Amino acid sequence: GAVVSQHPSWVICKSGTSVKIECRSLDFQATTMFWYRQFPKQSLMLMATSNEGSKATYEQGVEKDKFLINHASLTLSTLTVTSAHPEDSSFYICSARFGGLGNTIYFGEGSWLTVV
Amino acid sequence: DAKTTQPTSMDCAEGRAANLPCNHSTISGNEYVYWYRQIHSQGPQYIIHGLKNNETNEMASLIITEDRKSSTLILPHATLRDTAVYYCIVPRLGLDRGSTLGRLYFGRGTQLTVWP
Repeated sequence: GAVVSQHPSWVICKSGTSVKIECRSLDFQATTMFWYRQFPKQSLMLMATSNEGSKATYEQGVEKDKFLINHASLTLSTLTVTSAHPEDSSFYICSARFGGLGNTIYFGEGSWLTVV
Repeated sequence: DAKTTQPTSMDCAEGRAANLPCNHSTISGNEYVYWYRQIHSQGPQYIIHGLKNNETNEMASLIITEDRKSSTLILPHATLRDTAVYYCIVPRLGLDRGSTLGRLYFGRGTQLTVWP
């Protein structure tokens, strides 16, 4: 079936630096991808909708300048956490829709970010 | 916030059927019901989705009531590996760049524990 892959699986970065997480749809084209964040023992929280070739749509309360999203091609979206702080440490997950509305949304394996 | 209501937790004996209920009383006629599960520290795994008819695949069956206000996910022969948090989701439709998107907003889900 369709597969969504994230890279890296885990990353440790120093406070104040930026880190990029990639999300790829491996065997299908995805005009829309979604980014989530999940803190321990909590549910997934939708951060933003990534649209190929245009600006991302951010959920209320998510800082667009803090979490930069680029969807440069039909198979790749990137999330950059800028000026990372320890409170940004979390599990980041992307997803992509296979087909149109009513079709399946697949999720990546997730990326663990630890800011020290 | 989620448009569905699920029990917080359920138990099931290995080899028995696991029946996970979900209420979605405010669902509208063109909205789908999606089921995902998340095993600890992994991205959510797609299970099944449906609109009005019952659906079955290699993983599970989805039974949707005639009024579409509730549904039940059935794992016919639960195994220990089915222990996970199960999410019932009705995507939120909206307009973005002229296209209709379905964003998945996760509630707390049902923690299913399968016992040997």
